[in-house]
Amino acid sequence: AQKVTQAQTEISVVEKEDVTLDCVYETRDTTYYLFWYKQPPSGELVFLIRRNSFDEQNEISGRYSWNFQKSTSSFNFTITASQVVDSAVYFCALKSDYGGSQGNLIFGKGTKLSVKP
Amino acid sequence: DSGVTQTPKHLITATGQRVTLRCSPRSGDLSVYWYQQSLDQGLQFLIQYYNGEERAKGNILERFSAQQFPDLHSELNLSSLELGDSALYFCASSVLAGGQLVGELFFGEGSRLTVL
Repeated sequence: AQKVTQAQTEISVVEKEDVTLDCVYETRDTTYYLFWYKQPPSGELVFLIRRNSFDEQNEISGRYSWNFQKSTSSFNFTITASQVVDSAVYFCALKSDYGGSQGNLIFGKGTKLSVKP
Repeated sequence: DSGVTQTPKHLITATGQRVTLRCSPRSGDLSVYWYQQSLDQGLQFLIQYYNGEERAKGNILERFSAQQFPDLHSELNLSSLELGDSALYFCASSVLAGGQLVGELFFGEGSRLTVL
């Protein structure tokens, strides 16, 4: 079965703290894609990053960084020096063709991040 | 702005009624997806269309149906509405290569449905 687990339901930090959002996935596919989306209080889903299963290089984009480790089936997301505008629900998602998902995105339950001033 | 347009943004209706949600994909995207986001179920895939044809089905109730028109816009029809259908309904579009999703899904802002 394919599954995405975001064990942290809610995280609260103070501005300028670093915070890591965990994502663990399950799939039997050897080729798959992982995604992170942000859902701010306004409700829209904003794409942050896509990573394919063959590329385990970590990625950094400004204050955001992602750590992909196939050995532990994890794709964690770190925000450095968090800001109030980072407050949102963050979703990790998996795209895999295995097991009848037909290549559609399977989302985790999301982690609600609150950054307090 | 993702380029995906959804209307209406908010909709309040009563149990037993029927509503239609509309989605226009990004220019050039042939594939449209519908997702439902509710508090208890999270983000659930409902259905996918590709160039007018149904491509994949997820956890879509029989009371729900969808279609994609020749101009590629899509409509999600929800009938015999129940309180539990209250949710945020997202449309997304994507680029497919060889029929497979190779990029990210671009989501619209969602249609928030409240059933009273």
